[in-house]
Amino acid sequence: DTGVSQDPRHKITKRGQNVTFRCDPISEHNRLYWYRQTLGQGPEFLTYFQNEAQLEKSRLLSDRFSAERPKGSFSTLEIQRTEQGDSAMYLCASSQGVSNEKLFFGSGTQLSVL
Amino acid sequence: RKEVEQDPGPFNVPEGATVAFNCTYSNSASQSFFWYRQDCRKEPKLLMSVYSSGNEDGRFTAQLNRASQYISLLIRDSKLSDSATYLCVVPPGGGNKLTFGTGTQLKVEL
Repeated sequence: DTGVSQDPRHKITKRGQNVTFRCDPISEHNRLYWYRQTLGQGPEFLTYFQNEAQLEKSRLLSDRFSAERPKGSFSTLEIQRTEQGDSAMYLCASSQGVSNEKLFFGSGTQLSVL
Repeated sequence: RKEVEQDPGPFNVPEGATVAFNCTYSNSASQSFFWYRQDCRKEPKLLMSVYSSGNEDGRFTAQLNRASQYISLLIRDSKLSDSATYLCVVPPGGGNKLTFGTGTQLKVEL
């Protein structure tokens, strides 16, 4: 069972640096989501892809954040000029079909900005 | 009113107890709802879907009260392994953004 995989598991960076995370969804899943989670909070929606099209993006997502899913398979999330407030767990999830049901989450990438 | 609200807890209960959590939502157009479970430092995993008729799976029962705009999760005969954070999830009336609550932390003790 190849679930959703994310890389890296942990990333420590200095403020002002750029970082990029990768997500490989379950192979037959056409829907891919990025969420961000901080301690004591639920996952916060960032963006959503259906195949290669980015169909929704949170208003909370600043222009320093960009996500791509070029061939409708894996996705990348880039954060430019990182800030300490970007420190969080970045979760990727995928699902199949037309409904919002049953998101399968990856283990996440824990970002620490020093 | 927040889109999804949950009591963060923690709920500390003895093993074998029955415990219930509520989650209120603001979007009356939402049709189906979900409970996810998240263990410490792990990713969320789907526990149950909640439809208008409710849902029962073993010791777990989820119900929807559309008039008052809340969903509930009841856990009977609590086990130590039920200790986790339970996240309420509400889809929008339209669109694709699943909104998660802050989660309710459950600690089951001997």
